Amino acid sequence: EADIYQTPRYLVIGTGKKITLECSQTMGHDKMYWYQQDPGMELHLIHYSYGVNSTEKGDLSSESTVSRIRTEHFPLTLESARPSHTSQYLCASSEYGPQGHTEAFFGQGTRLTVV
Amino acid sequence: AQKITQTQPGMFVQEKEAVTLDCTYDTSDQSYGLFWYKQPSSGEMIFLIYQGSYDEQNATEGRYSLNFQKARKSANLVISASQLGDSAMYFCAMSPQYQGAQKLVFGQGTRLTINP
Repeated sequence: EADIYQTPRYLVIGTGKKITLECSQTMGHDKMYWYQQDPGMELHLIHYSYGVNSTEKGDLSSESTVSRIRTEHFPLTLESARPSHTSQYLCASSEYGPQGHTEAFFGQGTRLTVV
Repeated sequence: AQKITQTQPGMFVQEKEAVTLDCTYDTSDQSYGLFWYKQPSSGEMIFLIYQGSYDEQNATEGRYSLNFQKARKSANLVISASQLGDSAMYFCAMSPQYQGAQKLVFGQGTRLTINP
């Protein structure tokens, strides 16, 4: 069972508000990721981190920002939420499996609705 | 660039029947991995099975098996003896071998519904 947690699970917030989505993992993984997923659609990578003080943007452009001050914590922030940010945000961490492949562990996601 | 194609937006299957979910891929990498994930309505992504491009045997994990046909670039998921709890979205994904999950590319998913 994966030990990666996201809070809140659901968030409804007004336009212009600042929000932070929390993600924590207790597996000691260096690599962590944020994906954005619209309902019934594929996941798109928006941010990733190789370790503390390392963050990179993913393939999908996002107005959100991330930070990685501690290994176990990888929060995502939107300075001014807009309706176009309405989506599900999934956090993940990864390690190499026994065959050398990447094994990604996902949190339960945060479903964000901006009204 | 890598691409995953899942051509079945939705599938309906009777309980206890076997089901095959289709996945085709495109890549220029010589060494890569193929993954299947399950996403229940609760939202989390659950890893099901992995196949390496150089693995000669098809991967199996309990009721899940991966029908890997490298020449056809297909990696279909087979679920034997389906159960009501198998109802979920299923995503096929791939990444170059020995790369982190930042290189994971997902398909659009197939919504599987198991009928009693």
